[in-house]
Amino acid sequence: NAGVTQTPKFQVLKTGQSMTLQCAQDMNHNSMYWYRQDPGMGLRLIYYSASEGTTDKGEVPNGYNVSRLNKREFSLRLESAAPSQTSVYFCASSEEGDRGVPGANVLTFGAGSRLTVL
Amino acid sequence: AQSVAQPEDQVNVAEGNPLTVKCTYSVSGNPYLFWYVQYPNRGLQFLLKYITGDNLVKGSYGFEAEFNKSQTSFHLKKPSALVSDSALYFCAVRAPQTGGYNKLIFGAGTRLAVHP
Repeated sequence: NAGVTQTPKFQVLKTGQSMTLQCAQDMNHNSMYWYRQDPGMGLRLIYYSASEGTTDKGEVPNGYNVSRLNKREFSLRLESAAPSQTSVYFCASSEEGDRGVPGANVLTFGAGSRLTVL
Repeated sequence: AQSVAQPEDQVNVAEGNPLTVKCTYSVSGNPYLFWYVQYPNRGLQFLLKYITGDNLVKGSYGFEAEFNKSQTSFHLKKPSALVSDSALYFCAVRAPQTGGYNKLIFGAGTRLAVHP
């Protein structure tokens, strides 16, 4: 049982380049999330998807777009990368309902994607 | 403002000694509180949560946490630390927001170093 799988694990971009981080979960979870982790700042929510077909902004959505391709997959796109987007990105999923939010249910995280923007 | 504070960047403890990792929160309404652990180059893993009921919550790997409403704290504890407990620990709280969107707020993390 793989859980949450993220690709790529590492990526180096130049300012202005675009890229997509892929995430897939095999736990039949309704809700999926993208977080970024920066030193001394904990994890901050970028976007989330309560259920297939819906997406909503989190704390720090600027510069990012997301797509909930199907129930399993939730991708994060950087259209024009900036050095401020250098970070470690985590995808997570949880069992939530149609109003799915990170509530009482536990999040399962992927291993992370380390992105460096030069 | 809704927030989570982990006042210690790092906690050092000798193997076999008890450990405490501190967490305080500020949120309106009844909090849901969580602890997650992150080992090097890994994603976060769930340790335990407090939703309601007994203030002492037991979780994975022998960890427990005590919810103290009057002090708005949720400190993580373990009676006897292991070197393998060395990791980054995150406290998180659910903060109810208007419109039904509940945001999970994470603390900045505390690095636990257990020395042999």
